Amino acid sequence: DAEITQSPRHKITETGRQVTLACHQTWNHNNMFWYRQDLGHGLRLIHYSYGVQDTNKGEVSDGYSVSRSNTEDLPLTLESAASSQTSVYFCASSGTPGDNEQFFGPGTRLTVL
Amino acid sequence: AQSVTQLDSQVPVFEEAPVELRCNYSSSVSVYLFWYVQYPNQGLQLLLKYLSGSTLVKGINGFEAEFNKSQTSFHLRKPSVHISDTAEYFCAAMDSNYQLIWGAGTKLIIKP
Repeated sequence: DAEITQSPRHKITETGRQVTLACHQTWNHNNMFWYRQDLGHGLRLIHYSYGVQDTNKGEVSDGYSVSRSNTEDLPLTLESAASSQTSVYFCASSGTPGDNEQFFGPGTRLTVL
Repeated sequence: AQSVTQLDSQVPVFEEAPVELRCNYSSSVSVYLFWYVQYPNQGLQLLLKYLSGSTLVKGINGFEAEFNKSQTSFHLRKPSVHISDTAEYFCAAMDSNYQLIWGAGTKLIIKP
């Protein structure tokens, strides 16, 4: 069965370190998204991609970057981790720009000390 | 501004009682509307969606939602809840760039 996976599921790091969160989907979806989830804020969009070599900034992109070198993967990099980036991160994918259902990964809980 | 508002952060309800989770959206978003459910320590999964047609939409696990254009609402309902419905529920709307605008979520707490 097609799926979307995230790794690691839990990560503890220190302020200032570079961290990369992996997202891999086997749906063959063009669209991929990264969200962060914080209490009281719901989900906020960090970055998204509509295809290989395409990346776009979302609502809360400062301090984060992504790259899309193939269809299956959209890694999220925190260039210099800050305590404000402690959060749960979700990756999602969908088929086409107008495709209305996003499929979510299980999430990565990141703690920045 | 485009927004989705979930009016209740928590809704406690007794098992087997009916429940309604409220969602309002700004008229500037599209009328592609969604409810997602997040069980503890899991990702989100789609409960139901409204794209067009009948204003009453049925989803998984006995949930349904009604699209009301005049009140810009998309409330989620279930006639009888079970302990397994304990979860956080998110309402979302799709904007003109095909991105989802999310509400802050409502935690459904089932009391035995």
